[in-house]
Amino acid sequence: DIQMTQSPSSLSASVGDRVTITCRASQTISSSLNWYHQKPGKAPDLLIYAASNLQTGVPSRFSGSGSGTDFTLTISSLQPEDFATYYCQQSYSQPPTFGQGTKVEIK
Amino acid sequence: EVQLLESGGGLVQPGGSLRLSCAASGFTFSNYAMSWVRQVPGKGLEWVSGLSTGGSTTYYADSVNGRFTISRDNSKKMLYLHMNTLTAEDTAIYYCAKDPGRTTQWIWDYWGQGTLVTVSS
Repeated sequence: DIQMTQSPSSLSASVGDRVTITCRASQTISSSLNWYHQKPGKAPDLLIYAASNLQTGVPSRFSGSGSGTDFTLTISSLQPEDFATYYCQQSYSQPPTFGQGTKVEIK
Repeated sequence: EVQLLESGGGLVQPGGSLRLSCAASGFTFSNYAMSWVRQVPGKGLEWVSGLSTGGSTTYYADSVNGRFTISRDNSKKMLYLHMNTLTAEDTAIYYCAKDPGRTTQWIWDYWGQGTLVTVSS
């Protein structure tokens, strides 16, 4: 199975900050990398698919980049509704696997 | 509006069985692959099982293979997960999730609200 490792595991940031979360795959996954966020008590929401494609309805302050084994999710200007846990997930091969999550908290 | 509504969770003893259901609406259910993803409360996400549009091709995580069975009834717009020989390690919130494609792309663009399964004596 492909292992996905996110960093950091948690971070504290203020509204308006630029936030970057990284995800590394244990082997190359081309661009088959997706990002979700999850608020407490809610289901995950798809933010970005295929490394850099914004899901319909997701604000443009979210962006994704990377290919191969190293990927990045960037929030250009953190908003109050963005405080959540973020997960990367590889869709390159079965079984699909997730990173352990990055919790974004209010500073 | 796409909606996925899970049901069937609850408390079950170790070694017991349970069937989860997911009612789909707001899209042509038969055109999309589907999956179950679970999450231990407060922990990360784990894909459990997926199947193709017709239900003939199924996939399972090693942790549930041989104990869980995924199925669908396209006429009723329902997805199911039959779970047998449950252990404490199966305790989790189970989410029904829709794939954006006919074949399993392992991307999920819509999720249900989840149903909690607790395995305990």
